[in-house]
Amino acid sequence: EVQLVESGGGLVQPGGSLKLSCAASGFTFSGSAMHWVRQASGKGLEWVGRIRSKANSYATVYAASVTGRFTISRDDSKNTAYLLMDSLKIEDTAVYYCTRYQLERTFDPWGQGTLVTVSS
Amino acid sequence: DIQMTQSPSSLSASVGDRVTFTCRASHTINSYLNWYQQKPGKAPKLLIYAASSLQSGVPSRFSGSGSGTDFTLTISSLQPEDFATYYCQQSYSAPLTFGGGTRVEIK
Repeated sequence: EVQLVESGGGLVQPGGSLKLSCAASGFTFSGSAMHWVRQASGKGLEWVGRIRSKANSYATVYAASVTGRFTISRDDSKNTAYLLMDSLKIEDTAVYYCTRYQLERTFDPWGQGTLVTVSS
Repeated sequence: DIQMTQSPSSLSASVGDRVTFTCRASHTINSYLNWYQQKPGKAPKLLIYAASSLQSGVPSRFSGSGSGTDFTLTISSLQPEDFATYYCQQSYSAPLTFGGGTRVEIK
């Protein structure tokens, strides 16, 4: 079964840092681009960023709202992607999903999401 | 960035109704348009890709159409499990962007 499981969410103060993990199983993780998407409570989906495979030089790109603060990485030996979030702001509060980007240019599957709350 | 606009933002319908909602891109995206369904507290689920291709396992009552800038998602006969929020997403160019969603509620 193709599956993604996020972890690492929690409560953090403004200006703090948090690192999310996304553990993959059931597919060839090393060959897949992985994306992060977030959703504030009651709001729509916002693309955060992505990391490509080793064959594509692990290239990363980010949404303007998180550029310079968030970093996506991966460990193919552990079938895991990461989202390191620094200088967190209250407006970063959201459920964060990881998802695989397929050849058809689709997001599938998605993890169950992990909640990040930025509050003092 | 390509802006995606969905309409309506919400609609009320009854079981058995045919419902259609739209997604408009601010620039042409050819057919690089996907539709997702999201139920409360759950992750989005891929329904339609490349504007009109049905994802494996998705019921045939779902269909998509359009190209360029204007797209539609149709549910031919609304079922109880279809009450959810539907998002369009363009995969034409980065940053990949989503529409604001259409919430389908029970009338």
